[in-house]
Amino acid sequence: GAVVSQHPSRVICKSGTSVKIECRSLDFQATTMFWYRQFPKQSLMLMATSNEGSKATYEQGVEKDKFLINHASLTLSTLTVTSAHPEDSSFYICSAGGRRNSSYEQYFGPGTRLTVT
Amino acid sequence: RKEVEQDPGPFNVPEGATVAFNCTYSNSASQSFFWYRQDCRKEPKLLMSVYSSGNEDGRFTAQLNRASQYISLLIRDSKLSDSATYLCVVTYYSGGYQKVTFGIGTKLQVIP
Repeated sequence: GAVVSQHPSRVICKSGTSVKIECRSLDFQATTMFWYRQFPKQSLMLMATSNEGSKATYEQGVEKDKFLINHASLTLSTLTVTSAHPEDSSFYICSAGGRRNSSYEQYFGPGTRLTVT
Repeated sequence: RKEVEQDPGPFNVPEGATVAFNCTYSNSASQSFFWYRQDCRKEPKLLMSVYSSGNEDGRFTAQLNRASQYISLLIRDSKLSDSATYLCVVTYYSGGYQKVTFGIGTKLQVIP
C-alpha cells in the first residue's frame, strides 16, 4: 500500500527554537495533507488541512503564524513549529489524502514526537 | 455536541469474547466512514471502511445506520492482539475540500 513517511520521528528542542517536520508520500500523490496533534490520552486533533499549491486552512484555535505549513508538491508537506514552548510538546501526525484506485484514501505517517524543554 | 462521539472505555473483555463499539456523528451530510486502530504511541491504521450495506472482514463487522447517524464495529472471538484504541472517522466535503473528523477513540483491553 501507499506509504507516508515523517522525519524526524522524535525531536527534543529547547524552548524558543523552531522545529521543522517533514511529511512525504512515497508512492502516492497527495492532493491533500492533514496535520494532526495528539496529546496523551486525547484524540487526534486536526490542526490544519493543506491542498497542494494553496494556503493551508487552519482549525479554530491553531495559530497559523506559529505552525507554518508548506505543501509545495504532491509528495511533500512540512510543518514548522516556530518559537516552540513546552506546551507544544505533543505527537504530531501527518496524513496524506487523495484519490487512489478511483476512491478517496488517506494514509498516516508514523508521527513525530516533539518534546520542548 | 461533538461532531463524532465515542465512549472512551476502557472495555475490558476476556479472550474469545465478542465486543461491540458504537460511534455517533452529528453531520447528516457525512459521506464516508471508517474505523481505525491505534496502538499506544503509534499512528492510526485503517482497520476497515464502513459501507451502508454493512461489511465484514474476518472477525470484524462494521455497520452504518444513516437514519440514526451511527456506525458500529463488532469484534468476534477477541484476541489479545486486538487490544488497542479504535477510532471512528467520519468525512464530508466542505468548501470543495474533504474534511476528516476523528472520534476520541474507544480503548479495548483483551484479558487472558
